[in-house]
Amino acid sequence: SQELEQSPQSLIVQEGKNLTINCTSSKTLYGLYWYKQKYGEGLIFLMMLQKGGEEKSHEKITAKLDEKKQQSSLHITASQPSHAGIYLCGADQAGTALIFGKGTTLSVSS
Amino acid sequence: DTEVTQTPKHLVMGMTNKKSLKCEQHMGHRAMYWYKQKAKKPPELMFVYSYEKLSINESVPSRFSPECPNSSLLNLHLHALQPEDSALYLCASSQTQGSSYNEQFFGPGTRLTVL
Repeated sequence: SQELEQSPQSLIVQEGKNLTINCTSSKTLYGLYWYKQKYGEGLIFLMMLQKGGEEKSHEKITAKLDEKKQQSSLHITASQPSHAGIYLCGADQAGTALIFGKGTTLSVSS
Repeated sequence: DTEVTQTPKHLVMGMTNKKSLKCEQHMGHRAMYWYKQKAKKPPELMFVYSYEKLSINESVPSRFSPECPNSSLLNLHLHALQPEDSALYLCASSQTQGSSYNEQFFGPGTRLTVL
C-alpha cells in the first residue's frame, strides 16, 4: 500500500521567514493534495497537483510536484501567525479515498 | 455553496448509549466519506458511499453503522462504543469516487468522547 512521509514533523519559524514542508510518496503520485488543519477542526483544502513539474500558488503558499511524481513540496513565503497549523499531504489511492501523511505542525512566532 | 456541515460539534456518550452523527452537503457531490482522526494522527478512512451505496468499509467494527438516506446526507449511527472510539469524526464529499484528481471537501468534524 502507498505511504506518505512528511518532513519535518514540526517546525517553529519566526514571523516573516520562509519555510518548506516536504511530502514523499512510496509510489507514483497521481493526485497530490495539500490540506491545512487547525487542531480539533476540519481540513481546509489548499491545493491539488496532478502533473509532474506542476506548480501552483495561492497567496503566499506555493506547492510543487516533482517530475518523477513521488515528492511534493509546500513553500510558505514571509510566514504569518495565520499560517500556523497542521499541514497534511494526501494522495488519491486509485480513485478510492485519500491517504494522508502524518502531518507537519507549524508554529509561527511573532 | 462549498460547505460540508456536521452536527453535533461535540458529543459525549456512555458506552450503552445510541447516538448519531450527521453530515450534509449541497454541492451535488455523489461520493461521501467518513474519517476518524485520533489526536496527533492523520485522518483514517472508515467508509465511502458512492451514489448512495456503500462502496468501501475499512473493516470498521459493527458498533459503527453508516447510512446514506439521500445524495446530500450521510449519517453515522453509534452504539455500544468503547472509550478508545473517542476521536474527531470527519465527513467529506467529492464529485465522484473512482476517478483520480478528486478534491475532497471536509466538514468541521464532530468531537466524540465516550465515557
